[in-house]
Amino acid sequence: GAGVSQSPSNKVTEKGKDVELRCDPISGHTALYWYRQSLGQGLEFLIYFQGNSAPDKSGLPSDRFSAERTGGSVSTLTIQRTQQEDSAVYLCASSLAGGRSYNEQFFGPGTRLTVL
Amino acid sequence: AQSVTQLGSHVSVSEGALVLLRCNYSSSVPPYLFWYVQYPNQGLQLLLKYTTGATLVKGINGFEAEFKKSETSFHLTKPSAHMSDAAEYFCAVRARDDKIIFGKGTRLHILP
Repeated sequence: GAGVSQSPSNKVTEKGKDVELRCDPISGHTALYWYRQSLGQGLEFLIYFQGNSAPDKSGLPSDRFSAERTGGSVSTLTIQRTQQEDSAVYLCASSLAGGRSYNEQFFGPGTRLTVL
Repeated sequence: AQSVTQLGSHVSVSEGALVLLRCNYSSSVPPYLFWYVQYPNQGLQLLLKYTTGATLVKGINGFEAEFKKSETSFHLTKPSAHMSDAAEYFCAVRARDDKIIFGKGTRLHILP
């Protein structure tokens, strides 16, 4: 079956522009996560959606970052007024929270964002 | 609060030698523990997981990990390293709200 997909795979933008990154989770997965992976920085948690609950936004680094998940499926991460330090690979993952899935996450291929 | 600590951001071992990647966690709920691997220029994939039952879990590519509650550890091992094991390895734990918390990662280098 189809895995987690992300688009675009690469995005180059100019400082100050807004960008939108898209994630299509595995069908039926109730949990969706966004992470940022910078060189040498490991995986930085950004935001977590679980079903109809209010999202956990505790990892968003500034108010320039926001995310939404429409209809419990597709998610969009928006970065406004991009800065050079936003350059990173943005990873999306989804999982069946709880139950026999034991929260195993399935990751998308990521979007590499470069801010010039 | 839940957290994961991976000791050593970089680990180098000789081909054929034992691989040991350390992970310690804290969790206020019964932990589900995971190791993920990221090969160069690829996405993350699950290597193995501990949920309940047997504390020694086996994963893909000859890796295994042992859950030690008394030590709050979940170290990853492989008896004999192979060049193809060079990758970044992430330990993770389930948090109270089912969120998954990742460690900072350990990059494994294999020396010929």
